[in-house]
Amino acid sequence: DQQVKQNSPSLSVQEGRISILNCDYTNSMFDYFLWYKKYPAEGPTFLISISSIKDKNEDGRFTVFLNKSAKHLSLHIVPSQPGDSAVYFCAASAERNRDDKIIFGKGTRLHILP
Amino acid sequence: EAGVTQFPSHSVIEKGQTVTLRCDPISGHDNLYWYRRVMGKEIKFLLHFVKESKQDESGMPNNRFLAERTGGTYSTLKVQPAELEDSGVYFCASSRIQGGVNEQYFGPGTRLTVT
Repeated sequence: DQQVKQNSPSLSVQEGRISILNCDYTNSMFDYFLWYKKYPAEGPTFLISISSIKDKNEDGRFTVFLNKSAKHLSLHIVPSQPGDSAVYFCAASAERNRDDKIIFGKGTRLHILP
Repeated sequence: EAGVTQFPSHSVIEKGQTVTLRCDPISGHDNLYWYRRVMGKEIKFLLHFVKESKQDESGMPNNRFLAERTGGTYSTLKVQPAELEDSGVYFCASSRIQGGVNEQYFGPGTRLTVT
């Protein structure tokens, strides 16, 4: 049973526009959320995170929004650039133990179109 | 600072054979994790070491998988005997022991193909 769901396997966005990647989770114990970015033949790279005590976290072109009541989070990339083309994984862990395992979604492949 | 390294990058073996994957974490990182991604699916947790001790091995699929981290430095993951469903990309990650952000750094992965 998937605890972290990314329902869009792929997304295409014009360069310069906003990319919005969505993620839903089912486990109420999750209170720390992360986004990882992955290029082919490389491991996932940490991008941005958010704790459940916040509803928004921003880092440059990347913003993550958290809606706890809906158990939903999203990653906004604006403006989108060609180098953003990659697979994006939504992930979650429990706050109680920050060294705990990370639970990943299946990923969304983002294509930035010229 | 060198990143997490994994060896080999790719391994092709026949069903029934044995394969050993190696992970060298970032120096000073006491947490070491193994994950696996089967094609098209999510990255799934296998095992977590804190130094040389197994903290959580709830994700290990069965007793054909054996992970070790002698001396609390590098780790090995042995699959014996390998089955077709073991094919996938095996990632290793490491992080510091801390009460703050759980920022795990991933290696490039070992692609295992069992034929």
